[in-house]
Amino acid sequence: KQEVTQIPAALSVPEGENLVLNCSFTDSAIYNLQWFRQDPGKGLTSLLLIQSSQREQTSGRLNASLDKSSGRSTLYIAASQPGDSATYLCAVRRTAGNKLTFGGGTRVLVKP
Amino acid sequence: EAGVAQSPRYKIIEKRQSVAFWCNPISGHATLYWYQQILGQGPKLLIQFQNNGVVDDSQLPKDRFSAERLKGVDSTLKIQPAKLEDSAVYLCASSLWQLQETQYFGPGTRLLVL
Repeated sequence: KQEVTQIPAALSVPEGENLVLNCSFTDSAIYNLQWFRQDPGKGLTSLLLIQSSQREQTSGRLNASLDKSSGRSTLYIAASQPGDSATYLCAVRRTAGNKLTFGGGTRVLVKP
Repeated sequence: EAGVAQSPRYKIIEKRQSVAFWCNPISGHATLYWYQQILGQGPKLLIQFQNNGVVDDSQLPKDRFSAERLKGVDSTLKIQPAKLEDSAVYLCASSLWQLQETQYFGPGTRLLVL
C-alpha cells in the first residue's frame, strides 16, 4: 500500500527566503507525482505535475524534482512572498487514471 | 468557466444524525470525485464516478456513506448515521475524463459532528 509523507508538517520563513518542501513515498512504481496548493477554506489548486519519466518540472518561481528510485520529491519555491503562505500537498498516482494518494501536507507561513 | 460548486459550505450536526452534501462539477466533466480531508491530513478518495457509473469506491464506508450521480452531472454524498470521526472537509473534484490528469476542486463542505 502506497504511503506518502511530508515533513515538516509546518514551516515558517521570512520573506525572500527560498522554500524547500519534501515529499516521500514508499512505492517507487508511480505513474506521476503532483504538487498542490490549498488555501484556507478553499479547494486544491494544481501547481506542478511530474511524469515518472521526468526528473523535474518548473513553473515561474516553482521547481519540483523527482527521484523515483529513492521515493522522493522536492518542491522549491524561490524568493518566497507572503502570498505563498498556504498548505502544500503532494500526491502520487500509481497508474493512468488511478486515484491520487496524498501526503499530509506542509503548512507554510511566509512572514513579511 | 464556472468552477466546481459545493453546498452547504458548513454543517454542524449531532452524532447519529444524517447529512447530505451536494456537488455540481464543471460543465462537460465526465469524471467526479469525492474526497474526505480530516484536519491535518491529506485528502482521501471516497468514491470516483465516470458519468453515472462508479469507478472506485474501495475506501467508502458503505455501512454509513452513500453517493449517487444521477444523470451523470450533479452528485450527492450522504452520511447516515454520522459519527464523531466523520468530522472533516468533504471535497468534490471533477475532470474532463477519467485519464485526464488535472482535477479541479471545489471549496469543500466542512462538517462538524458533535
